[in-house]
Amino acid sequence: AQSVTQLDSHVSVSEGTPVLLRCNYSSSYSPSLFWYVQHPNKGLQLLLKYTSAATLVKGINGFEAEFKKSETSFHLTKPSAHMSDAAEYFCVVSDRANAGKSTFGDGTTLTVKP
Amino acid sequence: DTGVSQDPRHKITKRGQNVTFRCDPISEHNRLYWYRQTLGQGPEFLTYFQNEAQLEKSRLLSDRFSAERPKGSFSTLEIQRTEQGDSAMYLCASSPGVTDAGYTFGSGTRLTVV
Repeated sequence: AQSVTQLDSHVSVSEGTPVLLRCNYSSSYSPSLFWYVQHPNKGLQLLLKYTSAATLVKGINGFEAEFKKSETSFHLTKPSAHMSDAAEYFCVVSDRANAGKSTFGDGTTLTVKP
Repeated sequence: DTGVSQDPRHKITKRGQNVTFRCDPISEHNRLYWYRQTLGQGPEFLTYFQNEAQLEKSRLLSDRFSAERPKGSFSTLEIQRTEQGDSAMYLCASSPGVTDAGYTFGSGTRLTVV
């Protein structure tokens, strides 16, 4: 079975300060992990993915995530928040046992204050 | 390639009526997924297809729900005898059929049952 826990339902940061969105996962197999972003009234967009290559993954818009197997974590970071980063972020796990079916976390709402 | 298209964008229906949604995936993608998202939650898996074969259905998908993907191209999701609890955003996604590829999502169909 696979599952995802996003540890914060809401995160608020000031513009220009670092962003950290936390995600823990559970998987019986070597997982693939993803972060998606959903802006208001927009579709879900893939930010980045980990697929058993480099543990530090770079995505779009300056976001990064680090896969830590020992901690079963895949936290999303960005050095400097921009107002346009305000959105809902979803951590997602997928493994071969589930034939590509992905399990989503409940999401973290990121607010960026001017 | 115009991405994943969903139609309609919004649907308001009276309780007890039947509704049908359509999804056109990216043409090269052989996997197609349906998810449902309610307010404050992450998307929940409903069903998926590999080409025209429906390979898995969630327990969330009651007998009132049916999905098809004739000829492995577009897909339809039908809900019979709608209930107020069916009100949600219905998301379609496609992928090229490998676990670590990630999804491309459509913009969704928002269903409101009154």
